[in-house]
Amino acid sequence: DQQVKQNSPSLSVQEGRISILNCDYTNSMFDYFLWYKKYPAEGPTFLISISSIKDKNEDGRFTVFLNKSAKHLSLHIVPSQPGDSAVYFCAAAQAGTALIFGKGTTLSVSS
Amino acid sequence: KAGVTQTPRYLIKTRGQQVTLSCSPISGHRSVSWYQQTPGQGLQFLFEYFSETQRNKGNFPGRFSGRQFSNSRSEMNVSTLELGDSALYLCASSPGLAGGLDTQYFGPGTRLTVL
Repeated sequence: DQQVKQNSPSLSVQEGRISILNCDYTNSMFDYFLWYKKYPAEGPTFLISISSIKDKNEDGRFTVFLNKSAKHLSLHIVPSQPGDSAVYFCAAAQAGTALIFGKGTTLSVSS
Repeated sequence: KAGVTQTPRYLIKTRGQQVTLSCSPISGHRSVSWYQQTPGQGLQFLFEYFSETQRNKGNFPGRFSGRQFSNSRSEMNVSTLELGDSALYLCASSPGLAGGLDTQYFGPGTRLTVL
């Protein structure tokens, strides 16, 4: 039973446009959400996080939105750049338990 | 500050053998978690160690085990290797003081191939 789902395995976007990556979760007890970016042959790199008491967090070109009632979060990248091409993992945590990851979405940004 | 390091980076073993992977966390981090990544399966949690004690465990068979030393370095062992154990094994460290709610930082991983 997948508690964190990334239903789009891949996403293609043109350089300069917005990339929106989505993530759904089933456990309402999650209270911390993170996004990681992964390039081939490297470990995941932390990108941005959001606490369940917030609905938005921004860091430069990256913004994460959290909709608790829908159990949905999204990562917006504006503007998208070719260097953003990578696999993006959504992850969720609750106190005392392990971080749970989605299966990832491969983002391709074309110039 | 140096990042998380994992050794070796690549490993080839045959079925039935055992393997030990090593992870050195970021200085000052007391929590080390291990994940298995296979194509299409995302990152699956193996276990977490904090101050030399296993704090959380995922749904993997007993062939997968780990330990943590007093300097927070951690090792993961897989015994009686199977073909399905071929994967990228990732280690992540965090301060560990927020009960699972702090950010984890990953190493580059060890690519294990079982023939």
